[in-house]
Amino acid sequence: DIQMTQSPASLSASLGETVTIECRASEDIYNGLAWYQQKPGKSPQLLIYNANSLHTGVPSRFSGSGSGTQYSLKINSLQSEDVASYFCQQYYNYPLTFGSGTKLEIK
Amino acid sequence: QVTLKESGPGILQPSQTLSLTCSFSGFLLSASSVGVGWIRQPSGKGLEWLATIGWEDVKHYNPSLKSRLTISKDTSNNQVFLKITSVDTADTGTYYCAHSGDWDYFDYWGQGVMVTVSS
Repeated sequence: DIQMTQSPASLSASLGETVTIECRASEDIYNGLAWYQQKPGKSPQLLIYNANSLHTGVPSRFSGSGSGTQYSLKINSLQSEDVASYFCQQYYNYPLTFGSGTKLEIK
Repeated sequence: QVTLKESGPGILQPSQTLSLTCSFSGFLLSASSVGVGWIRQPSGKGLEWLATIGWEDVKHYNPSLKSRLTISKDTSNNQVFLKITSVDTADTGTYYCAHSGDWDYFDYWGQGVMVTVSS
């Protein structure tokens, strides 16, 4: 199985700040990576697929980058509505696996 | 507009079989490259992929639970089913179904259904 190591586990930042969340795969996943946002009490929502493609309707302050085994999600100009947990998922190979999540709070 | 909605028993006892239904609209599971997956989440914890069924009835299972899982579909009624046998308290959590397309990421999710295993 491909292990996804996500960091940090939690993050506190101020409004307007830029934050970055990282995911490291245990082997090359050839950009087969998605990022999801999950707000409290809600289902996950797709933000990014293919490591750097923005899903329809997602604000442009979200962006994804990376290659090989290292990937990141960047949120520019942090807004109050960005308070959520964020998860990465690899889909290069079965079984599909998720990172452990990052809980983002506002300072 | 793609929508998915999960339904299940709510509560069941250890050793019973959990039966979940995903009812969807806005897409056809007979269409090329379309799939529906099941993902679960214990309260306050992370996401675990369980199984996916594709348009050609190809099925993929998480090996950690494979012996207990069965995924199936009713294309004509736009439903996907998941059965988990011999449940125990570790199976308690929220179960989601979700749509996948050309690749196995999930672009549309249901609202989730809470399942509690308790004696």
